[in-house]
Amino acid sequence: DVKVTQSSRYLVKRTGEKVFLECVQDMDHENMFWYRQDPGLGLRLIYFSYDVKMKEKGDIPEGYSVSREKKERFSLILESASTNQTSMYLCASSPTGALRDEQYFGPGTRLTVT
Amino acid sequence: RKEVEQDPGPFNVPEGATVAFNCTYSNSASQSFFWYRQDCRKEPKLLMSVYSSGNEDGRFTAQLNRASQYISLLIRDSKLSDSATYLCVVMTTDSWGKLQFGAGTQVVVTP
Repeated sequence: DVKVTQSSRYLVKRTGEKVFLECVQDMDHENMFWYRQDPGLGLRLIYFSYDVKMKEKGDIPEGYSVSREKKERFSLILESASTNQTSMYLCASSPTGALRDEQYFGPGTRLTVT
Repeated sequence: RKEVEQDPGPFNVPEGATVAFNCTYSNSASQSFFWYRQDCRKEPKLLMSVYSSGNEDGRFTAQLNRASQYISLLIRDSKLSDSATYLCVVMTTDSWGKLQFGAGTQVVVTP
C-alpha cells in the first residue's frame, strides 16, 4: 500500500518566518508534487519533481521553493511566510509521468500564517 | 477562465436515488481524465479513470464527450457513504504527469 506522509497536520507560523514542509513517500515513485488547496479554487500545483535534484515550476510557484535531495523526500519551503500563504498544502507522488498514472496524496498540512 | 470547471453544488440526494454531474475542460489537448473523491478534511483519492468509450465501476459510471469537452459522473443507488466532494481531473499530453483539478462538486446523501 502506497504511503505518503507529511511532517505536520497543523502548523501556525508568523509573517516573515521561514517554513519547511516535509513529504515522504515509501513506494519508490519518480514524481512528487506540492499543491495548495483553497476553497473555490481547487488544487493548484506549486512545484513538482520528476527525479532527484530535478524540479519544475507549477502554476503558482511565487513565494515558494522546493528541495529533492533524496528520491523519497520532497520539501516545500516558504522563504518568508505571508498571510496569503495560509492554506491546506498537499503533497502527492506518482510512479512516473505516464498519462494514466494515479497520484497518491498525503494527509495534508493546514498552515496558518498570522 | 479556469481550465477545469465544476458546479460546486451541493447536490442533495436522497439515499437510493441517482445523481449525475458534469465537468467541463478548456484544453482540447487533454488526453487523460479522472474522477477523484475527497472526503471532508481528508486527502483526495482516485475514484476512477474515464475512458473514451465510457466506463462503469459498480454504481459509478463515467462518460467522456470530447466534442463538447466535458466528462460526467453518475452515481446510482446512492449510499450515505457517497457523501463527499468529487474532483474532476484532467491531464494534457504536454503536461508530463501534471494534473489540472477542478474545484470539486459536493454531494450530500441524506437518509
